[in-house]
Amino acid sequence: GDSVTQMEGPVTLSEEAFLTINCTYTATGYPSLFWYVQYPGEGLQLLLKATKADDKGSNKGFEATYRKETTSFHLEKGSVQVSDSAVYFCALNTGANSKLTFGKGITLSVRP
Amino acid sequence: NAGVTQTPKFQVLKTGQSMTLQCAQDMNHNSMYWYRQDPGMGLRLIYYSASEGTTDKGEVPNGYNVSRLNKREFSLRLESAAPSQTSVYFCASSALGLSGGITDTQYFGPGTRLTVL
Repeated sequence: GDSVTQMEGPVTLSEEAFLTINCTYTATGYPSLFWYVQYPGEGLQLLLKATKADDKGSNKGFEATYRKETTSFHLEKGSVQVSDSAVYFCALNTGANSKLTFGKGITLSVRP
Repeated sequence: NAGVTQTPKFQVLKTGQSMTLQCAQDMNHNSMYWYRQDPGMGLRLIYYSASEGTTDKGEVPNGYNVSRLNKREFSLRLESAAPSQTSVYFCASSALGLSGGITDTQYFGPGTRLTVL
């Protein structure tokens, strides 16, 4: 079945550090790939998405590229801020009624 | 637009009690979903409704029932709560357009934190 694997957390960085969060997937067909973010005490919200191979999603300084050859969708940001502290979820959608399959999530803490 | 709203925000139940979690969306979306979030487990789909009048089981449906009351509202019922159902519950919705939904964004509510003693 479909699955998403995220790197183990939590991750703690200093402000302005470079961020990479790894995500790999297993899916039948050609899924769409998503990163969702959950700020403390809130629901999830879409951070970015990519719907076909080699697409790059970007938002708020975050980027991720859909790599079909390595089945990966790693999230990157060049300079993190304290306000980026949150839980980040990688997810995929293979088109069955818009259902999402989520990774386990990773907690990012950014210290001043 | 309020987006996706959920009530209540917090609830404490005793084992064996029943309750219904309410969810509503004002985005005219076709599909709605219920997830539970547990530490180290990510989000797991409980039930979903692709359109008004239809519901289907997700990954972890046991112990739950759902009702798609109309296009806006999708409720989740626990008939006899158990401590294993202690979790944070999220409702979500998506448009489920002509593409079949593969590129759809899901929009989430703020969650209900449920504790079963």
